[in-house]
Amino acid sequence: QKEVEQDPGPLSVPEGAIVSLNCTYSNSAFQYFMWYRQYSRKGPELLMYTYSSGNKEDGRFTAQVDKSSKYISLFIRDSQPSDSATYLCAMRGDNFNKFYFGSGTKLNVKP
Amino acid sequence: KAGVTQTPRYLIKTRGQQVTLSCSPISGHRSVSWYQQTPGQGLQFLFEYFSETQRNKGNFPGRFSGRQFSNSRSEMNVSTLELGDSALYLCASSSIPTDMSSYEQYFGPGTRLTVT
Repeated sequence: QKEVEQDPGPLSVPEGAIVSLNCTYSNSAFQYFMWYRQYSRKGPELLMYTYSSGNKEDGRFTAQVDKSSKYISLFIRDSQPSDSATYLCAMRGDNFNKFYFGSGTKLNVKP
Repeated sequence: KAGVTQTPRYLIKTRGQQVTLSCSPISGHRSVSWYQQTPGQGLQFLFEYFSETQRNKGNFPGRFSGRQFSNSRSEMNVSTLELGDSALYLCASSSIPTDMSSYEQYFGPGTRLTVT
């Protein structure tokens, strides 16, 4: 079993839709949770970062962490075609220096 | 401020050969991590270097090795290439070690390695 599971998609939505991206994990020691966006032929760029459980909002993006369920989510409101990319979740623990990534969900926002 | 640069961007090698990839971190960043990205396995951690020392290592065979120079530039080497080594190899730099509080990793564009 992988440490981090993420549905690869692809996920196709119309412009303006609310997008929900999710990851589950198995290691209860994970404390730091991140979402990266990766455009084609580019390296991942950090979008959101949360520590432990809770919500964090940044513009159209909201990250949620539910440690009891070992489940994290990224919501994108008013999705735009420019949001079309692969979204990767990543996480690590307090005592770990290694990041564990999901395999990424490919999102396509249609104009 | 220049971002993370990786060279070469594309590489084609045959089985059994070896390859060396290079990464120049953001100026002032001393931690460099390497990842392998494939469609099936996603991003997998290879190793992390800080101040010329390997601090962490992922679960890859000994054919994968790396080093870091005094100017923080890093190289990774793969010997005896196998078809399964075909992947995008990403380098990420951090301003401080990836300890408990640090989370900022800045990725380069990657090197696309194809093994035939």
